[in-house]
Amino acid sequence: AQKITQTQPGMFVQEKEAVTLDCTYDTSDQSYGLFWYKQPSSGEMIFLIYQGSYDEQNATEGRYSLNFQKARKSANLVISASQLGDSAMYFCAMREDPYSSGTYKYIFGTGTRLKVLA
Amino acid sequence: DVKVTQSSRYLVKRTGEKVFLECVQDMDHENMFWYRQDPGLGLRLIYFSYDVKMKEKGDIPEGYSVSREKKERFSLILESASTNQTSMYLCASSPGGLSNQPQHFGDGTRLSIL
Repeated sequence: AQKITQTQPGMFVQEKEAVTLDCTYDTSDQSYGLFWYKQPSSGEMIFLIYQGSYDEQNATEGRYSLNFQKARKSANLVISASQLGDSAMYFCAMREDPYSSGTYKYIFGTGTRLKVLA
Repeated sequence: DVKVTQSSRYLVKRTGEKVFLECVQDMDHENMFWYRQDPGLGLRLIYFSYDVKMKEKGDIPEGYSVSREKKERFSLILESASTNQTSMYLCASSPGGLSNQPQHFGDGTRLSIL
């Protein structure tokens, strides 16, 4: 069964430093996608970055990068040069290929609350 | 840009009331989803729909129903609201097909049942 595990309920990081948020996943499918979302205190969910299971390169989007280790089934989010505005809840999510899995569901982890310190 | 609009940011209702949460998306997405979010539990899927009039139960459908009469609109219904349904409710949409498409979320509805 699909499962996403985020083992860090909360994290602190000093402003301008890098931080890694952990995400491990479980799937028996070969084709899947991994997503990271940011949820500020205002509540909206903001899509940050995507990694496909067949992508050979780690995804990057500005200060966000995804450390994808397929054999270990991990997809950690790295935020470089942290800013105060990065303080938020971060969710890792996965979706299997609907053509092979037969479902359109996305599975979410329980989230990591990041606090950036000035 | 995709816009997913939820009808209310905050809602207060009484136990036993029938409650409607509305969600509209403007990007012709096939898939729409309703989640509830509770501290420490992440996002839990209540129902989703992959086409008009089509729906599937998620992980926690008990006490809820949904309606999708038009492609752009997906409604969540609490048939008889109870205090344990006090939560943040998030609606999302995504295109059909490949797994590389992210979901787009509304701003959420904070529902309190008194």
